[in-house]
Amino acid sequence: GAVVSQHPSWVICKSGTSVKIECRSLDFQATTMFWYRQFPKQSLMLMATSNEGSKATYEQGVEKDKFLINHASLTLSTLTVTSAHPEDSSFYICSARASGSGTGELFFGEGSRLTVL
Amino acid sequence: AQSVTQPDIHITVSEGASLELRCNYSYGATPYLFWYVQSPGQGLQLLLKYFSGDTLVQGIKGFEAEFKRSQSSFNLRKPSVHWSDAAEYFCAVAKNQAGTALIFGKGTTLSVSS
Repeated sequence: GAVVSQHPSWVICKSGTSVKIECRSLDFQATTMFWYRQFPKQSLMLMATSNEGSKATYEQGVEKDKFLINHASLTLSTLTVTSAHPEDSSFYICSARASGSGTGELFFGEGSRLTVL
Repeated sequence: AQSVTQPDIHITVSEGASLELRCNYSYGATPYLFWYVQSPGQGLQLLLKYFSGDTLVQGIKGFEAEFKRSQSSFNLRKPSVHWSDAAEYFCAVAKNQAGTALIFGKGTTLSVSS
């Protein structure tokens, strides 16, 4: 099946620094990617929808200046956590929809665990 | 607003026994429903999905789910559980008819005892 890869899979940073997480579709083009956040023992919470070549659409309550999303190409979307704080520590997961696919043709990355000290 | 409820946080089943994981949804129109499995250190894998048609959906790894509109449920079943089925299971509903953003339940952790 289609592969979505995230990098890094685990990152530790100091409070106040910015961290970039990449999400790549390895063998298909993705016009739309989604970013989720998952707390321990919790569900995945949709943060934003990222469309190639346009601004991301953020869910209510998600700070767009805090979580910068860039979808510069059909195979890459990035999530930058700016001025990270300990409460931003979480598991971030991206998913990608193949171009031209129907609803539900989503592929998930393996996730990126962010720990802010 | 759409929502998904998975009433069981943790379930333990003996290997070889049958399994049913519960999922209830709230959605105004005909829902697009999904079940995903998440193993430690791995991404979410789609088990099965329902869009329309036959209310009994067959998925991978021997799983099936039945859509019951009257009960707003989409329970996942497997007749005989294997130790490798131990994982976190998420039920999800598409956020809207056009898009593919998903609303997830809180998940059910499945443990398999020998």
